Amino acid sequence: DTGVSQNPRHKITKRGQNVTFRCDPISEHNRLYWYRQTLGQGPEFLTYFQNEAQLEKSRLLSDRFSAERPKGSFSTLEIQRTEQGDSAMYLCASSPGTHSYEQYFGPGTRLTVT
Amino acid sequence: AQRVTQPEKLLSVFKGAPVELKCNYSYSGSPELFWYVQYSRQRLQLLLRHISRESIKGFTADLNKGETSFHLKKPFAQEEDSAMYYCALSGDSGNTPLVFGKGTRLSVIA
Repeated sequence: DTGVSQNPRHKITKRGQNVTFRCDPISEHNRLYWYRQTLGQGPEFLTYFQNEAQLEKSRLLSDRFSAERPKGSFSTLEIQRTEQGDSAMYLCASSPGTHSYEQYFGPGTRLTVT
Repeated sequence: AQRVTQPEKLLSVFKGAPVELKCNYSYSGSPELFWYVQYSRQRLQLLLRHISRESIKGFTADLNKGETSFHLKKPFAQEEDSAMYYCALSGDSGNTPLVFGKGTRLSVIA
């Protein structure tokens, strides 16, 4: 197991386009988290899943953002009608969900909206 | 509201000198506190958590509920400690989304 993987690693898009990111968690990790990180800031929580159920969404997650984890394995994060303010690093993390508080992070997807 | 404050954006120390990275938090309850570290060109990874009371790579952190602090300390800094350090908290169960501080960049000078 190579850990949490994210694709693509970099994405450049024009304003108004839709983008989709994928996260593959560590096998058998029940919890999957999405965070966003902008320059000079720590990661900020967006949403998380327990298996396929989306348990919580941050107020940061506008209506243009949607996340899914259809089979409780990989997850996708879609941003519709991208804006320049969406430019950030999008991080995914997973955790076993029981008896462990450690979240394992992926390398991130860097989004640039031009 | 949950909040984590790391007052220093950058901390530079000489090799062999003691290190203290400050972290204060605001949480109405009993949070779980963590330190995450990101080395150059690597992903974010857990360094230590207060519940385990471990010393990792010579680093320790003590939760002070009276001062709502969770400062990270190391008696003798090494060059390989240079990295970005983030303090984070989680809710009462410890298995909830993390709230991160803005991070402190530690630079250890040879």
